[in-house]
Amino acid sequence: GAVVSQHPSRVICKSGTSVKIECRSLDFQATTMFWYRQFPKQSLMLMATSNEGSKATYEQGVEKDKFLINHASLTLSTLTVTSAHPEDSSFYICSADLGYTYEQYFGPGTRLTVT
Amino acid sequence: AQSVTQLDSQVPVFEEAPVELRCNYSSSVSVYLFWYVQYPNQGLQLLLKYLSGSTLVKGINGFEAEFNKSQTSFHLRKPSVHISDTAEYFCAVRPGGAGGSYIPTFGRGTSLIVHP
Repeated sequence: GAVVSQHPSRVICKSGTSVKIECRSLDFQATTMFWYRQFPKQSLMLMATSNEGSKATYEQGVEKDKFLINHASLTLSTLTVTSAHPEDSSFYICSADLGYTYEQYFGPGTRLTVT
Repeated sequence: AQSVTQLDSQVPVFEEAPVELRCNYSSSVSVYLFWYVQYPNQGLQLLLKYLSGSTLVKGINGFEAEFNKSQTSFHLRKPSVHISDTAEYFCAVRPGGAGGSYIPTFGRGTSLIVHP
């Protein structure tokens, strides 16, 4: 149980364009989802916490106008990287919290490359 | 607030040898502790967790970890590693009990490299 999917797994886009990444909880409802960014050989950096039906809570230093997060339903959260630049190239990972299990379930990640 | 220190950035080991990946944490409140594994270009998968009870926790793939409150440690061990255990391992901590922040803090990760 507790499977989280992400789409796409890889995306290459041109500088200045926008990219949307979807995160879905397949067999459970997730009231809270998290978005992380991971640089090579480094730990996960929490970008924002997303609650269904409300605005996301962004971590300090994360531009909310650049990284748009929408949590429209209990099974879907989306991250849109607007006007992407090469420095936005990274591995983006989402996770969902079941609450009562105290653990997070992670998606497989999305590799974004901005050329 | 809490913090997590993974003392080794990289641990090379030969196949079938035992391994220990070290994790220390600091927190002003009680905590829940986790170990996750990340294979290349994949998300994180839970290996094991400590919430309460027995301080020796057994997880998947033959891994186990021991919670030591006095030393604020949660080291991960495996008595005999396989090539397939080569991966990045993350220790994580979050405040325990109901009503607290549910956002975990992750360590920087330890790269386990198993040589044939």
